[in-house]
Amino acid sequence: KAGVTQTPRYLIKTRGQQVTLSCSPISGHRSVSWYQQTPGQGLQFLFEYFSETQRNKGNFPGRFSGRQFSNSRSEMNVSTLELGDSALYLCASSRDEGLNSPLHFGNGTRLTVT
Amino acid sequence: AQSVTQLGSHVSVSEGALVLLRCNYSSSVPPYLFWYVQYPNQGLQLLLKYTTGATLVKGINGFEAEFKKSETSFHLTKPSAHMSDAAEYFCAVSLTGGFKTIFGAGTRLFVKA
Repeated sequence: KAGVTQTPRYLIKTRGQQVTLSCSPISGHRSVSWYQQTPGQGLQFLFEYFSETQRNKGNFPGRFSGRQFSNSRSEMNVSTLELGDSALYLCASSRDEGLNSPLHFGNGTRLTVT
Repeated sequence: AQSVTQLGSHVSVSEGALVLLRCNYSSSVPPYLFWYVQYPNQGLQLLLKYTTGATLVKGINGFEAEFKKSETSFHLTKPSAHMSDAAEYFCAVSLTGGFKTIFGAGTRLFVKA
């Protein structure tokens, strides 16, 4: 079974631009979560989607948004990029059998904002 | 609010020595607890999880963790470190109704030959 796939792996953008990251979950997984990972802040929860609905959102500004499609694939968008948005963005899927269902992570998209 | 604290951002052990990575959580209700490992340039992989039942949980690669409710701890151990264990380890907690998993700051494990 294929794992979680994130595209692209690396991205370089300029301040003020916007970016869209993509995540394909493991087949059969209906929940997708996004995390931002930086050396200073660690893993910060962005949002979680289930059946195209956002169920929870972290403490990030409105420039960060996401969505989930009917096939469970998910995208996140960051508008008006700032230097501080440089990070590894991780997507994780789970079967959502309950909160004891572990997360399966992709290898991430490394975003660099210059 | 739930939170996870990992004591020690860096831990260094010799090959063959005991590995002990500490994790404490704060929660007013019994949580679900996890340990994940991250190798360079990769995402996180599940090592083990505690939901209910036996408090000593065995995971992959010889790791295990013990849930101690009285101490609100979920420390990760391995009897004998191997060079391949060098990585960053994350403790995580999730709560019913929260629909999210919260991670600790991570502990980077170094293994010396």
